[in-house]
Amino acid sequence: AQSVAQPEDQVNVAEGNPLTVKCTYSVSGNPYLFWYVQYPNRGLQFLLKYITGDNLVKGSYGFEAEFNKSQTSFHLKKPSALVSDSALYFCAVRAYGDDKIIFGKGTRLHILP
Amino acid sequence: NAGVMQNPRHLVRRRGQEARLRCSPVKGHSHVYWYRQLPEEGLKFMVYLQKENIIDESGMPKERFSAEFPKEGPSILRIQQVVRGDSAAYFCASSPPTGGAGNEQFFGPGTRLTVL
Repeated sequence: AQSVAQPEDQVNVAEGNPLTVKCTYSVSGNPYLFWYVQYPNRGLQFLLKYITGDNLVKGSYGFEAEFNKSQTSFHLKKPSALVSDSALYFCAVRAYGDDKIIFGKGTRLHILP
Repeated sequence: NAGVMQNPRHLVRRRGQEARLRCSPVKGHSHVYWYRQLPEEGLKFMVYLQKENIIDESGMPKERFSAEFPKEGPSILRIQQVVRGDSAAYFCASSPPTGGAGNEQFFGPGTRLTVL
């Protein structure tokens, strides 16, 4: 069965510093990997995805993520954090041929001014 | 293009009543997914539907919950005889019919159900 782990419930980063939100996954076969962001009382917004090809994926709002097959990881990164990046971030995985996307529990990102 | 629409945004029910949650997918999308989010928790998959068909309902509680996506009109998630534990945010997502499993899902703003 496929699963996603986000080991940190919360990450605190000072504004202007680089940020990393961790995600590891378990899936049979090739994974499709996604990151979503959720602001308070809102639905999820798509940030980026990895399907195939280049391991470094660039997405919305300056975010990027690196697919590492040997470590089964898909960490979300941004070179310089903004206060407005404070939100709840979800990593998700979908196995090839499967219909549903499995979400991690989410990591709350606090960017400190 | 309008995104995924959900209504109502907030729904209050007393124990034992029925809750009906509606979802209109992005125009042209024929795949609809329902998720439940409990406070301080992630999203839990409930059900995946295509027009007039339930494809995967492995995340749906066996009793009191049902979902449909008719040929015409929105998808409906129905919860009968609600209990306090049903209080949660319910999100609908849609994706297009082509492109395969690499398609991202587009989420609606959610319906926040409160059971008194």
